Amino acid sequence: DTGVSQDPRHKITKRGQNVTFRCDPISEHNRLYWYRQTLGQGPEFLTYFQNEAQLEKSRLLSDRFSAERPKGSFSTLEIQRTEQGDSAMYLCASSLTAGGYGYTFGSGTRLTVV
Amino acid sequence: AQSVTQLDSHVSVSEGTPVLLRCNYSSSYSPSLFWYVQHPNKGLQLLLKYTSAATLVKGINGFEAEFKKSETSFHLTKPSAHMSDAAEYFCVRGNAGNMLTFGGGTRLMVKP
Repeated sequence: DTGVSQDPRHKITKRGQNVTFRCDPISEHNRLYWYRQTLGQGPEFLTYFQNEAQLEKSRLLSDRFSAERPKGSFSTLEIQRTEQGDSAMYLCASSLTAGGYGYTFGSGTRLTVV
Repeated sequence: AQSVTQLDSHVSVSEGTPVLLRCNYSSSYSPSLFWYVQHPNKGLQLLLKYTSAATLVKGINGFEAEFKKSETSFHLTKPSAHMSDAAEYFCVRGNAGNMLTFGGGTRLMVKP
């Protein structure tokens, strides 16, 4: 598989629960990005990694959010104590550092907090 | 902050007629601009990108966009719409660190 994989595709959780999403990038891509897309809006940047280093985090990424990329390959995004406002599509993308924005996006994980 | 504005949230055209999706960007001496398409339950797909090589950029599926510095615009066009073009389209700007700033999106509807 040469694409970006995200798991799960859909997640329904109760408010206050913790959730974790996984992203598997294209294997030779050293950059990995997380974006969030709410209904009717364009995706918004959350954070990105170059290899295992998390280089930037958006102000959208509150203390309840944490992302890791421990071996510079797959990444996880965890949301603690979920709130209804966290309901969104969480998109992962990967690229090469010098790729000229040659992003490949995954299909996303749709989170619904009830 | 550097941004992009998509002027229409919804555009409806008849199959076989031209498509025009409008985008304006905030001024910058050398913007990198893109158009992405998002079909339901599918990942974002790059249609085309402008990186200052040529002002008229041709993309996939017959789409093209023209970079107009004097108007700070990067409108997306296609001569003849197909039913399969119905989707959400995003005008996007590249920023430092290879990060992308998305416009609000334009939903294109194609009537038979």
